[in-house]
Amino acid sequence: AAGVIQSPRHLIKEKRETATLKCYPIPRHDTVYWYQQGPGQDPQFLISFYEKMQSDKGSIPDRFSAQQFSDYHSELNMSSLELGDSALYFCASSSRGQIGELFFGEGSRLTVL
Amino acid sequence: GQQLNQSPQSMFIQEGEDVSMNCTSSSIFNTWLWYKQEPGEGPVLLIALYKAGELTSNGRLTAQFGITRKDSFLNISASIPSDVGIYFCAGQLSYSGAGSYQLTFGKGTKLSVIP
Repeated sequence: AAGVIQSPRHLIKEKRETATLKCYPIPRHDTVYWYQQGPGQDPQFLISFYEKMQSDKGSIPDRFSAQQFSDYHSELNMSSLELGDSALYFCASSSRGQIGELFFGEGSRLTVL
Repeated sequence: GQQLNQSPQSMFIQEGEDVSMNCTSSSIFNTWLWYKQEPGEGPVLLIALYKAGELTSNGRLTAQFGITRKDSFLNISASIPSDVGIYFCAGQLSYSGAGSYQLTFGKGTKLSVIP
């Protein structure tokens, strides 16, 4: 079965640069979530979108923005990167009618030098 | 915000042993989920629980949704080497048609299985 697709899998950036992560949800899923996971940490919720509208906001820095497009894929844009932004970024998707069942992608590992 | 206390933080067990881990919260959740994460991979959903008191099995895994809606446990029976990984509990405060569907995660239980 098709899963959540994230790209790129690995990304290396310098401080103050920008980065964009992409997420393609499972077909027919209408909700996308972004999580950040630091080394040895649990995933922290950043932001979510339902039907292309922001549905919930967590601990997303002001330097980050995200959107969901008409084909339901989502992009997380990160600007003025800091060393502390180095982490695994996960996208998850769900069908609004399926409460609880969030399915995660394999993640994008961002390294800021 | 809501916080989940997951214990134990880590476990070292012999292959064939049973494992138990749990999560508690200071506030209620409407849904409890258990995920497994292996290094460099995304969390994989193991079990989802939707009703207080619900007991659900998935192969050698059994999980329960606490009656108070503030806790959940996960048991793994007859552990095998491929059970190695980090197990996360997650709570969801969602209700029909509205509410927050995002998950709050516990800190994880790192499981090591000695062959």
